[in-house]
Amino acid sequence: DSGVTQTPKHLITATGQRVTLRCSPRSGDLSVYWYQQSLDQGLQFLIQYYNGEERAKGNILERFSAQQFPDLHSELNLSSLELGDSALYFCASSTLGQGWIGYTFGSGTRLTVV
Amino acid sequence: ILNVEQSPQSLHVQEGDSTNFTCSFPSSNFYALHWYRWETAKSPEALFVMTLNGDEKKKGRISATLNTKEGYSYLYIKGSQPEDSATYLCASTNRDDKIIFGKGTRLHILP
Repeated sequence: DSGVTQTPKHLITATGQRVTLRCSPRSGDLSVYWYQQSLDQGLQFLIQYYNGEERAKGNILERFSAQQFPDLHSELNLSSLELGDSALYFCASSTLGQGWIGYTFGSGTRLTVV
Repeated sequence: ILNVEQSPQSLHVQEGDSTNFTCSFPSSNFYALHWYRWETAKSPEALFVMTLNGDEKKKGRISATLNTKEGYSYLYIKGSQPEDSATYLCASTNRDDKIIFGKGTRLHILP
């Protein structure tokens, strides 16, 4: 157990729907990062939050949004889902904003859009 | 280089042999280079984080070096064991907090 908790582990939904993925960072970590891993793709950075505020944005689609709550857990909202959104979504946390000590990853949420 | 490139993409190594692979990253505005070990059906596990040119880190049989001026890092595994079979990811963080992962090197250890 890495200390980063992601729920749900698996999610199957239809095109056009909206889902919410949840991440609880490791205790004491202020930063949360979201990544997407599709077939044959490396980890694509989506977005980072630090202590409740958006810190950096990567290749995140406009249909996707995220937030970090006062208790530091984060949610990634994916709407108007398309087949191509099927992927493994990882959350990672780190102690400092820039993550220089490395990231601790959760076990991921496998999203399947049918 | 604008992306993080890892080579080779895949590697088969006989048990007991030593091996190494490469990560190339953008050298401008560089902040940190990370190596992760990613086993199938598990989440990536941090191996090393390096920030200074010439840094060299070691963890058991695995070590890594960093050259920030030319933008590359090597990961070495000495005396490969079956449990070393995994995908090894590197990621580069720059001073603007942009994080880029490579696609990984898939290592297979042959008995």
